Amino acid sequence: QSALTQPPSTSGSPGQSVTISCTGSSSDVGSYNYVSWYQQHPGKAPKLMIYEVNKRPSGVPDRFSGSKSGNTASLTVSGLQAEDEADYYCSSYSGGNVFGGGTKLTVL
Amino acid sequence: EVQLVESGGGLVQPGGSLRVSCEASGFPFSSYWMSWVRQAPGKGLEWVASIREDESETNYVGSVKGRFTIARDNAKNSLYLQMNSLRAEDSATYYCARANGVAVYDYWGRGTLVTV
Repeated sequence: QSALTQPPSTSGSPGQSVTISCTGSSSDVGSYNYVSWYQQHPGKAPKLMIYEVNKRPSGVPDRFSGSKSGNTASLTVSGLQAEDEADYYCSSYSGGNVFGGGTKLTVL
Repeated sequence: EVQLVESGGGLVQPGGSLRVSCEASGFPFSSYWMSWVRQAPGKGLEWVASIREDESETNYVGSVKGRFTIARDNAKNSLYLQMNSLRAEDSATYYCARANGVAVYDYWGRGTLVTV
């Protein structure tokens, strides 16, 4: 199981929008609508932000949204806030479960 | 309130064994798949293993098959990961996570550090 591919880093100014991509294959992202996104602040446990491509758990702001096209999933964070600065990981069902390498989001 | 509390991490020699545990509370433990996910220092997340509610099904990432065993005790609301033949590359923080849906982890513990 190869890890999903994410950009190592991205950044944006407060109020702007950023999109993080997550590229897999026809064995994972492309075959299943079971893509999740997790936010992790330094020294903390991951937090579920998006599941099943575009669903938000209770309590997650609607500034966070997910989508998928073919083998690539995306997480968009709109109206960036300082507290959004964190590492973000995508994940997909693949028979087992595979994660991306993570993207560090910096709020400038 | 859902809580997952890991324990049992520590320093172990290559080739050695270690069992990490996770005590769950605040939800009907026996009604959920449970998983272990690890994170090497400064690295990304890696799914390790999952177990069905009734222990009838387990799944492992290829790199730990035959070395690690996931188990649970529903009477004790506890999840376990027995790790044998440990390698340096197994060094990581091991998180216990509740699975709620297919490959969806909605609650995580704070993790326990294993150093090989």
